[in-house]
Amino acid sequence: SAVISQKPSRDICQRGTSLTIQCQVDSQVTMMFWYRQQPGQSLTLIATANQGSEATYESGFVIDKFPISRPNLTFSTLTVSNMSPEDSSIYLCSVEDPARGYGYTFGSGTRLTVV
Amino acid sequence: AQKITQTQPGMFVQEKEAVTLDCTYDTSDQSYGLFWYKQPSSGEMIFLIYQGSYDEQNATEGRYSLNFQKARKSANLVISASQLGDSAMYFCAMRDNQAGTALIFGKGTTLSVSS
Repeated sequence: SAVISQKPSRDICQRGTSLTIQCQVDSQVTMMFWYRQQPGQSLTLIATANQGSEATYESGFVIDKFPISRPNLTFSTLTVSNMSPEDSSIYLCSVEDPARGYGYTFGSGTRLTVV
Repeated sequence: AQKITQTQPGMFVQEKEAVTLDCTYDTSDQSYGLFWYKQPSSGEMIFLIYQGSYDEQNATEGRYSLNFQKARKSANLVISASQLGDSAMYFCAMRDNQAGTALIFGKGTTLSVSS
């Protein structure tokens, strides 16, 4: 099955700054998905990233706040811009994983704290 | 729009007992997939089991089984012979069966297993 390397695993950032999260997959995948998990909550889809086109954002998420890059079929980044304490969450990337049947594989997550 | 409902915020079970975690869903699609994931305190997302909407038999994976009742739109997870290591958050999720579709998650159930 696919393996995703997600970096950083955690960070503490000052409000007003930006953080870029990276996900590297060990195989080529068409779509990558970015999720946010606020403390004690479920996973909420931020956007879907397709290589070669702009990401598709879910309601409540905008490109200026969460710009995404997808330069090739194995890599994507999510930037959390102009951070506030409300952005403190776990951010996860995910891909469909045909090797697991219908399963999806997730990165290990980035635990972000904004102070 | 698709929706997943998990009504049990927390469940408590003793070691070696079985436990059922409830999940109901809503979709107008005929073809869809249902998933269960486990998230321990480390934050990683662990795929447990999958059920396709056209699968006639309930899915099983080791100690995990999915009680799929299509007419009731329910997909309950049954964990047999609970172990201390089963203590975690459990998420029910679904997707329609089109390529490139992200998972939509329920709010989750926290399972606590005691000795």
